[in-house]
Amino acid sequence: GAVVSQHPSRVICKSGTSVKIECRSLDFQATTMFWYRQFPKKSLMLMATSNEGSKATYEQGVEKDKFLINHASLTLSTLTVTSAHPEDSSFYICSADFPLSTDTQYFGPGTRLTVL
Amino acid sequence: AQSVSQHNHHVILSEAASLELGCNYSYGGTVNLFWYVQYPGQHLQLLLKYFSGDPLVKGIKGFEAEFIKSKFSFNLRKPSVQWSDTAEYFCAVKRGTDSWGKFQFGAGTQVVVTP
Repeated sequence: GAVVSQHPSRVICKSGTSVKIECRSLDFQATTMFWYRQFPKKSLMLMATSNEGSKATYEQGVEKDKFLINHASLTLSTLTVTSAHPEDSSFYICSADFPLSTDTQYFGPGTRLTVL
Repeated sequence: AQSVSQHNHHVILSEAASLELGCNYSYGGTVNLFWYVQYPGQHLQLLLKYFSGDPLVKGIKGFEAEFIKSKFSFNLRKPSVQWSDTAEYFCAVKRGTDSWGKFQFGAGTQVVVTP
């Protein structure tokens, strides 16, 4: 199947710093990508929908100035956690819509963020 | 609030036992339903999906799920599990009116199959 990668797989940073997470579709072009956050023993929570060439659409309650999303190309979306705090520590997962199929998504392996 | 609920957070069973994982959703309109699996250290993979038609859908690795509209349920089943089925299983719902690919996930069920 199609492959979506994330980088880095885990990151530890100090409080107040910014962290960038990359999501790449390796063998297909994805007009739309999605960013999720997963808390321990909790569901995946959709944070935002990332559209190539336009602004991301954020879910209710997600701070767009804190979680900056850029979808600069058809194979790359980035999530930047700005001025990270310990409560931002979480598992962040991206997914990409497979072309011509609104219901086929491929997920990345996730990024574990720990903010000290 | 609209939600997707999975009944069990953690299931332990022996090889060859039968598995059934419950999933209920609270949306009233048209829905597309999915089960995803996440093996240890790997990314989420699609097991099966239901859009319309036969409410009993078959997926990969011997899994099947039944959509019961009156019960707002989409339970996952496998008649005989293997050790390699140890994984976390997520039910997901996409509302018919939602924009492309917008899923709501359940909290997941951790399944451990013992030899």
